[in-house]
Amino acid sequence: NAGVMQNPRHLVRRRGQEARLRCSPMKGHSHVYWYRQLPEEGLKFMVYLQKENIIDESGMPKERFSAEFPKEGPSILRIQQVVRGDSAAYFCASSPRLLDTQYFGPGTRLTVL
Amino acid sequence: KNEVEQSPQNLTAQEGEFITINCSYSVGISALHWLQQHPGGGIVSLFMLSSGKKKHGRLIATINIQEKHSSLHITASHPRDSAVYICAAPGARDNNNDMRFGAGTRLTVKP
Repeated sequence: NAGVMQNPRHLVRRRGQEARLRCSPMKGHSHVYWYRQLPEEGLKFMVYLQKENIIDESGMPKERFSAEFPKEGPSILRIQQVVRGDSAAYFCASSPRLLDTQYFGPGTRLTVL
Repeated sequence: KNEVEQSPQNLTAQEGEFITINCSYSVGISALHWLQQHPGGGIVSLFMLSSGKKKHGRLIATINIQEKHSSLHITASHPRDSAVYICAAPGARDNNNDMRFGAGTRLTVKP
């Protein structure tokens, strides 16, 4: 059973471009969580999704950020018009049930030039 | 005040020493997570516990829900245990999935 997959592992964007981060949960997991780790800071919750539904996006910036978890395919975290402050490591995690152990992906390191 | 506080912030130990990392939280929770972040950045979930104690190899995690305190212990520490250890608690929302993370404890085990 493959673990949580994220791609790309490293992403470089110029200011104003769009960044798309993908997360494939573990097989059988329908709960996906996105977290951001800014340089020299701790992890912060962004959004929690189940298949086709956003359950909690309280940690997501109101503008430029969006997330989806379609019926088929990976979960996508999309950042429009990136700025330098978006440079961070973005981790996703998945779990089979609510309030269950979360398994983390390797992260995507976004660098905005 | 951070809802999840860890101590110490940094910890250096000699190989073989017994390690304790503490976590206190102010939110009401049903479970607490301990995570390990490797020097390369990857994160591994070590434990999720809601009461008592869990053990996995040389790692032991305990939690006291009444006192809102958890500890992570490493017995017979080894240089490969060097990592950042993070405790995380679900926030005080109905769905309990907006996790609040401690700042992490950076452990260095010297040979």
